[in-house]
Amino acid sequence: SAVISQKPSRDICQRGTSLTIQCQVDSQVTMMFWYRQQPGQSLTLIATANQGSEATYESGFVIDKFPISRPNLTFSTLTVSNMSPEDSSIYLCSVVGAGANVLTFGAGSRLTVL
Amino acid sequence: QQQVKQSPQSLIVQKGGISIINCAYENTAFDYFPWYQQFPGKGPALLIAIRPDVSEKKEGRFTISFNKSAKQFSLHIMDSQPGDSATYFCAASMNEPDTDKLIFGTGTRLQVFP
Repeated sequence: SAVISQKPSRDICQRGTSLTIQCQVDSQVTMMFWYRQQPGQSLTLIATANQGSEATYESGFVIDKFPISRPNLTFSTLTVSNMSPEDSSIYLCSVVGAGANVLTFGAGSRLTVL
Repeated sequence: QQQVKQSPQSLIVQKGGISIINCAYENTAFDYFPWYQQFPGKGPALLIAIRPDVSEKKEGRFTISFNKSAKQFSLHIMDSQPGDSATYFCAASMNEPDTDKLIFGTGTRLQVFP
């Protein structure tokens, strides 16, 4: 299955700032997604990262708050903008590999907003 | 209709015992039901998955039981080991993960004591 590298693995940020999380995959994938996992909670899909076009956002998530880029088949970024303590969470990149039909997750980026 | 309900929220089992986690869904269009295992500090990893054309799937000590008429499925971990201590998520989708998003349950934190 695809190997996913996420950066940063964790960060502590100040309220009102923005942080960009990078997701690099070791092989071309058909689908890339961004999930949020709040402390002790389930996995909530933020958006599908579409190559070369605007991401598809789930209900409750908007582009201004969570801009996403996917310039090619192996790389995507998620920015958490104008952060507040409520954005403290683990953000997970996930992919479906070509021909694999399995959703694989990265280790996540743990974000703490003070 | 898009929800997947998971229980219990937490589970404590003695080594060698059977761990059982249950999930229920409403959307009869769901036809792919995976279970994910997540260790602290790691992303969720696919453990085992089932489609509704079979009532049971076994992989080693892990078994999924599926009851299509009741719209329920469960994960059984036989001979539970301390190394099985993790959070388990059930999920469902209407198609393969590369064509449809997964809806996750709320998770079950399993602790296996020696």
